[in-house]
Amino acid sequence: DAGVIQSPRHEVTEMGQEVTLRCKPISGHDYLFWYRQTMMRGLELLIYFNNNVPIDDSGMPEDRFSAKMPNASFSTLKIQPSEPRDSAVYFCASSLTYGQGRPEAFFGQGTRLTVV
Amino acid sequence: AQKVTQAQTEISVVEKEDVTLDCVYETRDTTYYLFWYKQPPSGELVFLIRRNSFDEQNEISGRYSWNFQKSTSSFNFTITASQVVDSAVYFCALSEETSGSRLTFGEGTQLTVNP
Repeated sequence: DAGVIQSPRHEVTEMGQEVTLRCKPISGHDYLFWYRQTMMRGLELLIYFNNNVPIDDSGMPEDRFSAKMPNASFSTLKIQPSEPRDSAVYFCASSLTYGQGRPEAFFGQGTRLTVV
Repeated sequence: AQKVTQAQTEISVVEKEDVTLDCVYETRDTTYYLFWYKQPPSGELVFLIRRNSFDEQNEISGRYSWNFQKSTSSFNFTITASQVVDSAVYFCALSEETSGSRLTFGEGTQLTVNP
């Protein structure tokens, strides 16, 4: 398997613009996670899905953030409008169901977002 | 509530030294998993090991070893004969049965191995 694939790898955008980050999870994985990493806050869970259904979005910082998973092989994280404080590395990860005994999450390479 | 603490923010060693990275966790669940991830300078997060709460056997993989002790709620990671390529940020993480597969990460330990 190719692993978790994220695009783009880098994104530079101007404040106020819409940004869409994309993720293709590992085939067969039931869970998909979106994390954000900053120096100040470390690794934060933004939202996660189980079988394409959002389970917990309490980590989404504001209504400017939204995430979708229209099918098992694709998810998006959208920021509209973007602000400089959204600058961070955004990771997508996927994993098997907890009960299968191998719940470790595998991460994509991340999208480095810079909002100027 | 689940929590992971990595008290060592930065560690610097000289090549070939042994180094131990500490991890202490808090959970109310009896069923949980602990993990270590490595984040090299290139930025990706690499899974290293998983341990479930019912398996306290220590594990060794090459120069890496892990010591899980439920009595002290610790899951420490030792690198023997460190190498420059071990330089990275190392994260300890926890997932609880009641929280599904979601991970709670520690703050990370920056390990620098100097030649």
